[in-house]
Amino acid sequence: KAGVTQTPRYLIKTRGQQVTLSCSPISGHRSVSWYQQTPGQGLQFLFEYFSETQRNKGNFPGRFSGRQFSNSRSEMNVSTLELGDSALYLCASSGVGRGYTFGSGTRLTVV
Amino acid sequence: KNEVEQSPQNLTAQEGEFITINCSYSVGISALHWLQQHPGGGIVSLFMLSSGKKKHGRLIATINIQEKHSSLHITASHPRDSAVYICAVNFGNEKLTFGTGTRLTIIP
Repeated sequence: KAGVTQTPRYLIKTRGQQVTLSCSPISGHRSVSWYQQTPGQGLQFLFEYFSETQRNKGNFPGRFSGRQFSNSRSEMNVSTLELGDSALYLCASSGVGRGYTFGSGTRLTVV
Repeated sequence: KNEVEQSPQNLTAQEGEFITINCSYSVGISALHWLQQHPGGGIVSLFMLSSGKKKHGRLIATINIQEKHSSLHITASHPRDSAVYICAVNFGNEKLTFGTGTRLTIIP
C-alpha cells in the first residue's frame, strides 16, 4: 500500500516568488491536511480538505492557499514568499475514524 | 484557549530504562495522537486514542479523559527509540493542535 507522497522533497525559492507543493494521499483517504513546521513555532496546522472542500483553516495569512482535486490529491500554494516561510511543510491523509498518515514533507528554503 | 502541553521537553536515558512522556490538554477532545519524528523530518503516527489504553510492541499509550492527560510509555528502551515524540489533539473543531514535543535520547 503506497504511503502519502509529497513532491518535491526540497525546494529553494527567492523572496517574492510563489511556490506550489503537491500531496498524494493514501488511496481511499478523502481527507488531506497540511502543516508547517519551523524551529521557532513547531508544528502548526495550515488547512484541511475533504472531498474537494476546505473543512478547516489555521491562522495563516491569505498568501497560503490550497485545493483538493477529485482524486483527493491536494496542492498548497504560497505566494509572495517571505524568508519566514522557510519551513518543513507536511501533509497527512486520513480515512474516516482513523489516524493520520504523514508524508515525508517538503523542505522549503526562501533566500 | 485550546492548548497542549508536553513534558519533559528533553529526556536522556540509558538503554533498557522505562520511559514516560506526558501530555496535558486544556479542554475536551475528540481524539489524541502520539507521533514520532526522526531526524530528517518524517512523522509516524504511533497511536490514536479517545479513551483507555493501547499497546504496540514496547510502546504503551494511556489517556485519562477526566484529568485531560495522556502518557506514552516505552519499555526496555533502545537507542533506535531516540526521536522527538509529539502529542497532538483534535479539539472540537477537529483540526490538530500539537504539543511542543519531547526530544528523547537513549544512550547505549
